[in-house]
Amino acid sequence: DGGITQSPKYLFRKEGQNVTLSCEQNLNHDAMYWYRQDPGQGLRLIYYSQIVNDFQKGDIAEGYSVSREKKESFPLTVTSAQKNPTAFYLCASSPRPLIALESQFFGPGTRLTVL
Amino acid sequence: SQQGEEDPQALSIQEGENATMNCSYKTSINNLQWYRQNSGRGLVHLILIRSNEREKHSGRLRVTLDTSKKSSSLLITASRAADTASYFCATDDNYGQNFVFGPGTRLSVLP
Repeated sequence: DGGITQSPKYLFRKEGQNVTLSCEQNLNHDAMYWYRQDPGQGLRLIYYSQIVNDFQKGDIAEGYSVSREKKESFPLTVTSAQKNPTAFYLCASSPRPLIALESQFFGPGTRLTVL
Repeated sequence: SQQGEEDPQALSIQEGENATMNCSYKTSINNLQWYRQNSGRGLVHLILIRSNEREKHSGRLRVTLDTSKKSSSLLITASRAADTASYFCATDDNYGQNFVFGPGTRLSVLP
């Protein structure tokens, strides 16, 4: 079945370590997104990519890095520079950069806890 | 099937008028959120309303929630051309789980 997968579902890391969250989609979507969700808050955009080998910073990109070497993959690295990395991370994709009334398809999310 | 359904699908108004968008959902929710999406970018969070709240305000935005009718409305007062965007409601029944968006309402504010 087509969809978006994120792994792992739960991730624990020690403070000061970099960690990479995986996001894969087999929907043949051009655009992919990373969001962060904190308790009681909405999603905030970290990075987005409209096409392979291109990505743009979102609203809270500091302390994060991404790559888009393949259309189906958009991994997110949470670096040690991110001051408050513990959060729920959602990856999404859309058929093309959002220019019309389209919904994004979301993955199941990864809950990252930094100890 | 989708949890959230926005209504109308498209709305055109003149600058200065108020815009009202509605969202209906099917199952019990924990939170309901409204998002805006501008061309070529991801979603921007506007407002979150919890299942035990009935109304919430943020600047020119007013959100209501009626859990008995499983519906919510977003009111934008004194609209501006910059409000032109697509607006989505999203619901989750547990924290961070089953986070589902509706198809959205495309709002056009004409100068």
